[in-house]
Amino acid sequence: DVKVTQSSRYLVKRTGEKVFLECVQDMDHENMFWYRQDPGLGLRLIYFSYDVKMKEKGDIPEGYSVSREKKERFSLILESASTNQTSMYLCASSFPVRQGTYEQYFGPGTRLTVT
Amino acid sequence: GQNIDQPTEMTATEGAIVQINCTYQTSGFNGLFWYQQHAGEAPTFLSYNVLDGLEEKGRFSSFLSRSKGYSYLLLKELQMKDSASYLCAVNKRNTPLVFGKGTRLSVIA
Repeated sequence: DVKVTQSSRYLVKRTGEKVFLECVQDMDHENMFWYRQDPGLGLRLIYFSYDVKMKEKGDIPEGYSVSREKKERFSLILESASTNQTSMYLCASSFPVRQGTYEQYFGPGTRLTVT
Repeated sequence: GQNIDQPTEMTATEGAIVQINCTYQTSGFNGLFWYQQHAGEAPTFLSYNVLDGLEEKGRFSSFLSRSKGYSYLLLKELQMKDSASYLCAVNKRNTPLVFGKGTRLSVIA
């Protein structure tokens, strides 16, 4: 079974803190994604990566950065957390398109509260 | 760009049938996913349609019409545990999946 794990289920941070959200997958997937999910707005893509050291901006990258030093790990960084970044953060991974499958597997999510 | 629309909320009775619609407008369309997401949990895969027509998988079926930019998820013999959000997502060539905002389904006795 594919397993995508996230470092924390719940996290409370203060405004201005640097926050690291870690995601690890064990299926040798090349593609990894970070989303945030808010009521009424659905899933919005923050950043994605199709390979190690590679990153692409999604729809809402402002205030975030990412790191992909190893294939299995994709980290989301909030350089200076703000209250409007309070949200549920979901990591996902998938095989590359060339392998003919597109299904994304999601981690359990991290509910981040910034006070 | 792409535009994906699905109803925000639906309510149905236990044992009944419910149809959740999803319409989309996009170029480079490859296929359409349906995911189920229970409150506080991660989305889980339900179905993926590439070709026109209906695909059945137990109590759940998914339909796609590429020419009309339309899909629906059909849930039969509804159970209380089917109360969840249902997300449609468009698979577009060379880009990550684009998700609709989701339909929250409440199943009542």
